[in-house]
Amino acid sequence: EAQVTQNPRYLITVTGKKLTVTCSQNMNHEYMSWYRQDPGLGLRQIYYSMNVEVTDKGDVPEGYKVSRKEKRNFPLILESPSPNQTSLYFCASSRLEAGGGETQYFGPGTRLLVL
Amino acid sequence: GENVEQHPSTLSVQEGDSAVIKCTYSDSASNYFPWYKQELGKGPQLIIDIRSNVGEKKDQRIAVTLNKTAKHFSLHITETQPEDSAVYFCAEDDKIIFGKGTRLHILP
Repeated sequence: EAQVTQNPRYLITVTGKKLTVTCSQNMNHEYMSWYRQDPGLGLRQIYYSMNVEVTDKGDVPEGYKVSRKEKRNFPLILESPSPNQTSLYFCASSRLEAGGGETQYFGPGTRLLVL
Repeated sequence: GENVEQHPSTLSVQEGDSAVIKCTYSDSASNYFPWYKQELGKGPQLIIDIRSNVGEKKDQRIAVTLNKTAKHFSLHITETQPEDSAVYFCAEDDKIIFGKGTRLHILP
């Protein structure tokens, strides 16, 4: 089954304790990205990657890191989480075509609470 | 910078009536406009999309219209049903910028 998986689905942590949210896709997609979803603000892109070893900042990258060592995986790293990073996080992937305009496939989301 | 404005933020319609959600965009070079539906506890899922070379696309009860001159596109849901209750997002490619979402309530 074609899918994007994220782990963990729920996480409660404390300020400053490093954490990683994993994301994996089995569709051989080149493009992967991370979004956070907050009430009234919709989906905001954190980071994206157009291929292995190629990553770029989205609209709200501060406080986050990513890596793309393999095509299928795109982990999101919070080196020192703060309460303002409490949010619902989504990973997404898509093909990357020259003309653009490819369907995004989203993971089920990770709900993070930073105390 | 580029942005997508989506209206309304909340919409309640009687079951069986039609719902319309509108989005405007700023990047005149954009040529792909998808709509995503997010049900409670799940990630967004594509329901319909349109490219700039057509003005309208239909898929059963769902349609999307695009006006490139005015830079706006709309989602139309006819004969609404309870399972249409969800949050809907429009988006603009190539930078994949999302609107802030519309919470649609279908009233019994």
